[in-house]
Amino acid sequence: QKEVEQNSGPLSVPEGAIASLNCTYSDRVSQSFFWYRQYSGKSPELIMSIYSNGDKEDGRFTAQLNKASQYVSLLIRDSQPSDSATYLCAAPSTGGFKTIFGAGTRLFVKA
Amino acid sequence: DAEITQSPRHKITETGRQVTLACHQTWNHNNMFWYRQDLGHGLRLIHYSYGVHDTNKGEVSDGYSVSRSNTEDLPLTLESAASSQTSVYFCASSGGTSGTTDTQYFGPGTRLTVL
Repeated sequence: QKEVEQNSGPLSVPEGAIASLNCTYSDRVSQSFFWYRQYSGKSPELIMSIYSNGDKEDGRFTAQLNKASQYVSLLIRDSQPSDSATYLCAAPSTGGFKTIFGAGTRLFVKA
Repeated sequence: DAEITQSPRHKITETGRQVTLACHQTWNHNNMFWYRQDLGHGLRLIHYSYGVHDTNKGEVSDGYSVSRSNTEDLPLTLESAASSQTSVYFCASSGGTSGTTDTQYFGPGTRLTVL
């Protein structure tokens, strides 16, 4: 069974700082990765997906993938209090359309 | 706009009762999923379906069942509710085809309390 592991946190950063969220996975076959954001009491929503080694940038968010190290990260630049949420790392299961989710990292951005 | 809805949003029931949670999506997605989310466990897959009349067990399927009679709906039934099934339940759908895994779109969730 593939595992996706994250530090549960909480991770606390001051407003304007860079928040760095990390995720490791156990299956070398994984070709794509997803970052979902979940506000308290709400459902998860996709914020980034990454399929290739290297960096992918979308506004203040940058996803980084290193397949050799089986490591994927999410950087949030100029963190805002509205970024306070739980961030879920996810990877597809082998041979199907299921997604394996990590337990999530809680992020707090202090004003 | 396409969406995925769940009902009821909140439910309180008693141990031993049968409960059905509804999930309806208008994305025309083939793939639908039910998860439960509890503190410390993240999202755990209960059942999933890749199309009409297809259902599969996830990692925590005991005590739950689903059926898929059309593309839009995947109701989740708790045959005999137990206190351990108190949780927040999320339905999701995705349009992945040809072996690819696509974005999952989540419903708003159902908070179920079993007394």
